[in-house]
Amino acid sequence: AQKITQTQPGMFVQEKEAVTLDCTYDTSDQSYGLFWYKQPSSGEMIFLIYQGSYDEQNATEGRYSLNFQKARKSTNLVISASQLGDSAMYFCASNSGYSTLTFGKGTMLLVSP
Amino acid sequence: DAGVIQSPRHEVTEMGQEVTLRCKPISGHDYLFWYRQTMMRGLELLIYFNNNVPIDDSGMPEDRFSAKMPNASFSTLKIQPSEPRDSAVYFCASSFPGWGVDTQYFGPGTRLTVL
Repeated sequence: AQKITQTQPGMFVQEKEAVTLDCTYDTSDQSYGLFWYKQPSSGEMIFLIYQGSYDEQNATEGRYSLNFQKARKSTNLVISASQLGDSAMYFCASNSGYSTLTFGKGTMLLVSP
Repeated sequence: DAGVIQSPRHEVTEMGQEVTLRCKPISGHDYLFWYRQTMMRGLELLIYFNNNVPIDDSGMPEDRFSAKMPNASFSTLKIQPSEPRDSAVYFCASSFPGWGVDTQYFGPGTRLTVL
């Protein structure tokens, strides 16, 4: 069974600064995927970025990037140049092969002007 | 392209009533998932289908919950009879692992309130 741990219940950042959201995972599988989702106050779950366990490069998607440290089993989300619209709940999740996603409990990010 | 579509977006009902939630996955996706989100328990997988066949329903909390997928473009989650503790946001998600990355795309959710 997989386990996802997000140790930061809440994070605060000022607009235009970068912020890192932590995520560690626990799996014995060799092949797995790591995902980040954003859930704004409106409630929808928005897919942000993906990292495969065999990917050698850290994933990037616009202002989002992952700091993937396989040996430490961590995949931290870095949001550069924070915007007010980044205020949301952020979930880390993982799967193995085509199995189901296991989600962390989430981190609430608040961006202040 | 349309994303995952769920209806209704909000549902308020009284205890004991039957509730039916509906989902239309993204066209071409062959996996469909039903999740429930509450403050106390976070996101829980209830059941998922592959090619319209239920694969794992171990997350379905009780016999009061049932899900069907009669065809590739439609699924329902039914609660009968509903109870106040069923109040939650119910998400439907779909994916197509054949495209290489097994990303699940979520619908907007149905916020269910059982009085």
